[in-house]
Amino acid sequence: DADVTQTPRNRITKTGKRIMLECSQTKGHDRMYWYRQDPGLGLRLIYYSFDVKDINKGEISDGYSVSRQAQAKFSLSLESAIPNQTALYFCATGDSGANVLTFGAGSRLTVL
Amino acid sequence: AQSVTQPDIHITVSEGASLELRCNYSYGATPYLFWYVQSPGQGLQLLLKYFSGDTLVQGIKGFEAEFKRSQSSFNLRKPSVHWSDAAEYFCAVGARAAGNKLTFGGGTRVLVKP
Repeated sequence: DADVTQTPRNRITKTGKRIMLECSQTKGHDRMYWYRQDPGLGLRLIYYSFDVKDINKGEISDGYSVSRQAQAKFSLSLESAIPNQTALYFCATGDSGANVLTFGAGSRLTVL
Repeated sequence: AQSVTQPDIHITVSEGASLELRCNYSYGATPYLFWYVQSPGQGLQLLLKYFSGDTLVQGIKGFEAEFKRSQSSFNLRKPSVHWSDAAEYFCAVGARAAGNKLTFGGGTRVLVKP
């Protein structure tokens, strides 16, 4: 099994729908991150969490919310999806004692 | 605020030729620097990292990168490219003081000609 699992891997939805992307990890890391990838822009940080009770906004958090249900689970929600949220979303984990992030395989979201 | 610039959006290289990908960063303190690779349809895989010490770092798949503080650069190189190196490459900067949050460059897509 992958260290960082994202579901769904692909999703097509309509404008105004609520969408949840889920992430789970088996690495035992305390830190988890959600990034968004757009062509030419690289990856941009949406939200990050240092532990279950610690949630922080990244550089592009508007229109998104997150929930850290457990150390191993970190979900990203789009309350009312819009077309410019069409992107590839990555979850990542990191250990506070190290400085390397481990990424999931990505969730491709298309908002029509 | 930290930032990363990858000046080349696309690079085409012949198989067997050398490859160099440029990365320039802006960061107020000593940065942690990373190169990740994303193969088509895949997630990001760490190629190599620089935290401190020797400024020439070796990574996986025959890649290396050199940290040049005076030029704020961390360029990635490979002496002889294989067709399987066709992918998108991302340079990133981070720091423990910043909670290991990474700031990524826009990426460079590498195409390999037979």
